Amino acid sequence: DSGVTQTPKHLITATGQRVTLRCSPRSGDLSVYWYQQSLDQGLQFLIQYYNGEERAKGNILERFSAQQFPDLHSELNLSSLELGDSALYFCASSASGVTNNEQFFGPGTRLTVL
Amino acid sequence: AQSVTQLDSQVPVFEEAPVELRCNYSSSVSVYLFWYVQYPNQGLQLLLKYLSGSTLVKGINGFEAEFNKSQTSFHLRKPSVHISDTAEYFCAVSDTNTGGFKTIFGAGTRLFVKA
Repeated sequence: DSGVTQTPKHLITATGQRVTLRCSPRSGDLSVYWYQQSLDQGLQFLIQYYNGEERAKGNILERFSAQQFPDLHSELNLSSLELGDSALYFCASSASGVTNNEQFFGPGTRLTVL
Repeated sequence: AQSVTQLDSQVPVFEEAPVELRCNYSSSVSVYLFWYVQYPNQGLQLLLKYLSGSTLVKGINGFEAEFNKSQTSFHLRKPSVHISDTAEYFCAVSDTNTGGFKTIFGAGTRLFVKA
């Protein structure tokens, strides 16, 4: 158990819909990362937040957005969903925002878009 | 821009045999290097990391990796694998610039250990 929690574990929805994925980092970790893992694209970095502020952006679509709240939990919002958004979404946390820190990964949310 | 190439998508090996999973990176600056493992239906967990110092890094579960700056490689090795090592392994790189906070992951190598 990494100490990172993600809810829900599974999510099934239809094209065009909007969903919110939630992540609670390890106690004391200030940085949260979101990744998308799919068979064709592999593990793609989406976005990083550090202590409430966006710190780095990866291959995140404009239909996707994220935020980190004062209690440090984070939410990833996916809108106008397409079939291709079906994937495993991981959240990870680290103690600080610097890149030499180990990232601790949650168990993931499996999103299925029908 | 950084990139990571894992040269083998799948590596089948017999139990108790040695294994090497290959990783090459490209970056214009100094880097930090990581290997993560993902067991079925789980998130990733850190095996080992290279930040600086000795180029031979030892990690958990008997794995080790060697940083080779001239060849821009960070290959993962284990002298004798177990069935329980069957998993997907990801090499990752991040740069050391204070402004660079992204960690880039390779496509992964699926290690399959056969009895």
